[in-house]
Amino acid sequence: NSKVIQTPRYLVKGQGQKAKMRCIPEKGHPVVFWYQQNKNNEFKFLINFQNQEVLQQIDMTEKRFSAECPSNSPCSLEIQSSEAGDSALYLCASSLSPANTEVFFGKGTRLTVV
Amino acid sequence: SQLAEENSWALSVHEGESVTVNCSYKTSITALQWYRQKSGKGPAQLILIRSNEREKRNGRLRATLDTSSQSSSLSITATRCEDTAVYFCATDARSNYNVLYFGSGTKLTVEP
Repeated sequence: NSKVIQTPRYLVKGQGQKAKMRCIPEKGHPVVFWYQQNKNNEFKFLINFQNQEVLQQIDMTEKRFSAECPSNSPCSLEIQSSEAGDSALYLCASSLSPANTEVFFGKGTRLTVV
Repeated sequence: SQLAEENSWALSVHEGESVTVNCSYKTSITALQWYRQKSGKGPAQLILIRSNEREKRNGRLRATLDTSSQSSSLSITATRCEDTAVYFCATDARSNYNVLYFGSGTKLTVEP
């Protein structure tokens, strides 16, 4: 069973508001991923970290999202100004290595932008 | 367009029957992974099959990989009601950083 902890489970924000969610990866996992899963079950990779450093991110993440994984604190993903299209399940995952290993997902934060 | 895609949106079987979910993908890969996501939970990895492997088993699950046709299958034998979930295949598209590209999933319902 995955031990990736995501909070909150549910988040409701108005358009234009900031939305922040947190993730505690599995103990000892230095690599953290954020994915967005929409209502059609489509996954979109957003960003990943190894320790505190960004490995890879998509354009959308650079522009409207901010994410960090500080040492000794939960990782976080924040949407600066929420849009209706941001309503989705945000999944955090962690792994031991950045390449070709098992990835463990949390239960997700379901964001609804009204 | 997606780099991986399951071939069925939904499947329904009765408990005890076997079922196979198929997946096709579009790029060269280092590995292909099968995940299961139950309602209200995140995806859980079932099998990781590397590009130099043809078959991998995990209990009642069996995954195959055919790199020449860029396809994979996941078979479940002796299905149980608790196997009801959405099943996803995901490829790494030779990503340097283990980024996964998921299909849209096949919803499997196992009825009593």
